[in-house]
Amino acid sequence: KAGVTQTPRYLIKTRGQQVTLSCSPISGHRSVSWYQQTPGQGLQFLFEYFSETQRNKGNFPGRFSGRQFSNSRSEMNVSTLELGDSALYLCASSRAEQSGVGGYTFGSGTRLTVV
Amino acid sequence: DQQVKQNSPSLSVQEGRISILNCDYTNSMFDYFLWYKKYPAEGPTFLISISSIKDKNEDGRFTVFLNKSAKHLSLHIVPSQPGDSAVYFCAAIYSGGYQKVTFGIGTKLQVIP
Repeated sequence: KAGVTQTPRYLIKTRGQQVTLSCSPISGHRSVSWYQQTPGQGLQFLFEYFSETQRNKGNFPGRFSGRQFSNSRSEMNVSTLELGDSALYLCASSRAEQSGVGGYTFGSGTRLTVV
Repeated sequence: DQQVKQNSPSLSVQEGRISILNCDYTNSMFDYFLWYKKYPAEGPTFLISISSIKDKNEDGRFTVFLNKSAKHLSLHIVPSQPGDSAVYFCAAIYSGGYQKVTFGIGTKLQVIP
């Protein structure tokens, strides 16, 4: 079956711009989580959605937002981009009601570079 | 405040020997732990997990040990193979609620042929 699909794979944006990243989870998975990966910081949790509702939010500024659609696809938006937002953004889906138990399936990520 | 700590940023091991990756956690509410492996340019891949009711879980060459009193877990890979060279992330969850999965910063394992 198809895995978690993230688009685009690579993105270059200018400071001050905004960006939208997309994630299509595995069919049947209702939980979608977003993580930011930077060197030395590991995987930092952004937010998690389940059945179109945000269940959890990490410690990121309000410039980072997300949503989930009725088909479980999710989007993440970052407004007023800063150089420090350059990172690999990973989406993970899970079937479990308790997200993550049993293991996430991650997408390959979107590499965002802010110049 | 890092609740899941992987204090070794890197580890080099000879092929065929044992690799031991360590992870410590501070939140006593965590009751479910996972290990993920990540190759460059790919997303992390789930490897193995353990519930806090167990102290060991084995899957082929991979074994995870949990010491709840020490809030410590470790991943053993025996025997290590060059294809195991990757970044390994330890993760923890409180499964009793809709809690986020908390990851460590990762340990880069290099298996030398």
